[in-house]
Amino acid sequence: GESVGLHLPTLSVQEGDNSIINCAYSNSASDYFIWYKQESGKGPQFIIDIRSNMDKRQGQRVTVLLNKTVKHLSLQIAATQPGDSAVYFCAEARSNDYKLSFGAGTTVTVRA
Amino acid sequence: EPEVTQTPSHQVTQMGQEVILRCVPISNHLYFYWYRQILGQKVEFLVSFYNNEISEKSEIFDDQFSVERPDGSNFTLKIRSTKLEDSAMYFCASSEDGRGVYNEQFFGPGTRLTVL
Repeated sequence: GESVGLHLPTLSVQEGDNSIINCAYSNSASDYFIWYKQESGKGPQFIIDIRSNMDKRQGQRVTVLLNKTVKHLSLQIAATQPGDSAVYFCAEARSNDYKLSFGAGTTVTVRA
Repeated sequence: EPEVTQTPSHQVTQMGQEVILRCVPISNHLYFYWYRQILGQKVEFLVSFYNNEISEKSEIFDDQFSVERPDGSNFTLKIRSTKLEDSAMYFCASSEDGRGVYNEQFFGPGTRLTVL
């Protein structure tokens, strides 16, 4: 079936380095892609989203890239900080419905 | 900053018992959702709710599940006869009325349900 998933379950990053988290999706009907951050014991927290008519969007210290040709989504975090340690999920949504379909998650650990 | 709240934070119940999980969505939001996350797995959609009716539900959301907006602020998820496999973290979320435009879903902190 169609699903959203992540390439790697874990990522260890040195504090101050840039992080890149990847996600592959298969549903070409999706209109929006979203990155969520989930800290231990908390609910998913919205980071950034991107619509299917865009290929790049920047936020504060984060950039999302969308490659529709290969159905690939990535989240780049600049100058990774200890507070960035969390599980990161990509999710997809379609404009005709409002449910989010989540990928499996990548656990990011920031080394001091 | 407005936020989604959920109670209780942890619910322990015996198999076969009914549980009600409660959520208070953000006050001006019109779309409400329940998701669940089994330990170590991805977040899964259960149901979306708009204008006092279910707008979409997943295969997980069978006859044992029901949702209700009993008043102007609460949104509840009821599991009639809990099973061991219902043990999970249950997240409530809400979003503004987007009318065809994606709106950010805000998630609550979750209720951890443990079925013994």
